[in-house]
Amino acid sequence: DTEVTQTPKHLVMGMTNKKSLKCEQHMGHRAMYWYKQKAKKPPELMFVYSYEKLSINESVPSRFSPECPNSSLLNLHLHALQPEDSALYLCASSQGLGASTDTQYFGPGTRLTVL
Amino acid sequence: AQKITQTQPGMFVQEKEAVTLDCTYDTSDPSYGLFWYKQPSSGEMIFLIYQGSYDQQNATEGRYSLNFQKARKSANLVISASQLGDSAMYFCAMREDLEYGNKLVFGAGTILRVKS
Repeated sequence: DTEVTQTPKHLVMGMTNKKSLKCEQHMGHRAMYWYKQKAKKPPELMFVYSYEKLSINESVPSRFSPECPNSSLLNLHLHALQPEDSALYLCASSQGLGASTDTQYFGPGTRLTVL
Repeated sequence: AQKITQTQPGMFVQEKEAVTLDCTYDTSDPSYGLFWYKQPSSGEMIFLIYQGSYDQQNATEGRYSLNFQKARKSANLVISASQLGDSAMYFCAMREDLEYGNKLVFGAGTILRVKS
C-alpha cells in the first residue's frame, strides 16, 4: 500500500491565523518531505525529515514551522502567512535508504489560500 | 547541481495512440536515479516509473516505458495506447543526494491532452 494521506484537502486562512497541515503514512518509511507547488510550476522542496530529525531546510521563512511527532506523522504549522504563500502543499515519504532507488510517494496535497 | 529539462510545454495525442514525452538531464554523479510522475488536475503526484543509471535495460511499468539513452542524457517517457485518463501534467525528476538527505529535482513539466 503506497498511501500518503493529507488533511485538510483545502484551507482558507487569513494572514493573522494559525493553522496546521497534517500528513500521515503507514508504509514504514523513515524519510518525509514537504513541497510547495505554485500553479503550473514544479514542486519545490521545503523540508526533509530523516528518522524523525529535520535534515534539510531549504531556507524556508520562519512563518512555516515543520514538526515530526513520530515516524508516521508530519505536520506543517502556519502562522502569519502572506497571500503569496497560497499554493498546493504536498507531503511525500520514502524509505530513506540513501540509495538512488529510493522513491518518494506523494499525498494528494492541501490547497492553501491566504487572504 | 543537477538539472532536468522538459522542452515540451504541451502535447496532444489521439486516444489509443502512443506518445513520447521528452526529458534530458545533466549531472556529474556517476550514480543517479530518474523518475516520472503524473499529476492530474486533482493535484496528487503519482509515481509512474523509475530508471537507475546502472540499469542495463529500459524500465517498463504496464503501458509506461522509459527510453533511457545514457550517452545522450535523455530519459523519455513512452505511453502506449493512450487513454482519456492519461490527460495530466507529467514531470521528469532526478534524485539529488545532499549531505543529510535527498531531494527530487523536477523539470518544468509537460501537459498531455488525450483527444477522443
